[in-house]
Amino acid sequence: EAGVTQFPSHSVIEKGQTVTLRCDPISGHDNLYWYRRVMGKEIKFLLHFVKESKQDESGMPNNRFLAERTGGTYSTLKVQPAELEDSGVYFCASSQEYRQSQETQYFGPGTRLLVL
Amino acid sequence: AQSVAQPEDQVNVAEGNPLTVKCTYSVSGNPYLFWYVQYPNRGLQFLLKYITGDNLVKGSYGFEAEFNKSQTSFHLKKPSALVSDSALYFCAVRVNFNKFYFGSGTKLNVKP
Repeated sequence: EAGVTQFPSHSVIEKGQTVTLRCDPISGHDNLYWYRRVMGKEIKFLLHFVKESKQDESGMPNNRFLAERTGGTYSTLKVQPAELEDSGVYFCASSQEYRQSQETQYFGPGTRLLVL
Repeated sequence: AQSVAQPEDQVNVAEGNPLTVKCTYSVSGNPYLFWYVQYPNRGLQFLLKYITGDNLVKGSYGFEAEFNKSQTSFHLKKPSALVSDSALYFCAVRVNFNKFYFGSGTKLNVKP
């Protein structure tokens, strides 16, 4: 069974440009999460989808970030326009059962974003 | 507010020696505690979790962790370290039904 995949693995863009990150969760997982790790600090939650609906987007930094999950399968995270402080590693995770706090989340390899 | 602290940025240990990676947490409610490991150029891999029951939890690759409610800690341990254990380790806590709160990570260096 394939794990969580993310594309691209790396992205280097200039300030003001747009970048779109993609996450493909494990097949059959209704829950999809985005996290970000900036400058060697803690991994911080961005948002949570249950199928195609946003369950919690309290961690989204500002309105330059837009996440979608059309059809409840893969998800995209768009940053427009990108700023220097958006640099970091963006992780995607998925899990099967909703409202199960003991459920393990399975993480992808991350996308390393560098904004110059 | 929920938070997780990993007080050591880096832990150095000789191969064959026991290792401990520390984690403390602050939450309101009953915590569910997790450890993940990130090898270079790889994603986060699940190691183990504490949900309820026995305070000593055993996980992958010979790792274990002890839940201590009075000290609000969940330290990761292994009796005998391997060079291949060198990686970045993250502690995480989950209280409500969705998001994790992570620590800042601890880099483990195991020297031959």
